[in-house]
Amino acid sequence: DTGVSQDPRHKITKRGQNVTFRCDPISEHNRLYWYRQTLGQGPEFLTYFQNEAQLEKSRLLSDRFSAERPKGSFSTLEIQRTEQGDSAMYLCASSHDGLNTEAFFGQGTRLTVV
Amino acid sequence: GQQVMQIPQYQHVQEGEDFTTYCNSSTTLSNIQWYKQRPGGHPVFLIQLVKSGEVKKQKRLTFQFGEAKKNSSLHITATQTTDVGTYFCAGDGGATNKLIFGTGTLLAVQP
Repeated sequence: DTGVSQDPRHKITKRGQNVTFRCDPISEHNRLYWYRQTLGQGPEFLTYFQNEAQLEKSRLLSDRFSAERPKGSFSTLEIQRTEQGDSAMYLCASSHDGLNTEAFFGQGTRLTVV
Repeated sequence: GQQVMQIPQYQHVQEGEDFTTYCNSSTTLSNIQWYKQRPGGHPVFLIQLVKSGEVKKQKRLTFQFGEAKKNSSLHITATQTTDVGTYFCAGDGGATNKLIFGTGTLLAVQP
């Protein structure tokens, strides 16, 4: 296991379509995060899993966004009825729980909604 | 909700000058982490501070965690062109200990 992997790396979709992204965390990590980042901004927290439990979802997040981590391993992030404002880099990160919570990031999925 | 702010947003220095970025959280943090993101890359972990008043050094980088565990700073001595990038602090706190990133400071170093 060499790190966090995300798929796809790039996605172009038409407005109104649904998209799904996948994240495979480092295998022994029980925390998994989804962030969204736009140019010149910091990673914006979207949601967070501890094993298979979704502990928190950003209040800023529309109901069009949903995430799962069914077996506590990989996770998916789905965006329904995409809008142009959803265009961003979607980053996944994983970490241990406990004292050392260093987050390891994937390369991200760049979404462009046209 | 919890917010983590950084100043300045942008700093341009001549190579060899020092650089400092400051991080402030609206809530007390259980720990503070620092990350560096190169242009076109993803955030990469630099360090974690846990104790109140803690100071850690990594070569030319010095990290501090405030006494109240609500603020932190990163100081780079004698910047080099390889230091270019955006530096983010990230706080681990709140009811679920989620990791919240600061707004970032973009460092540009002129040779």
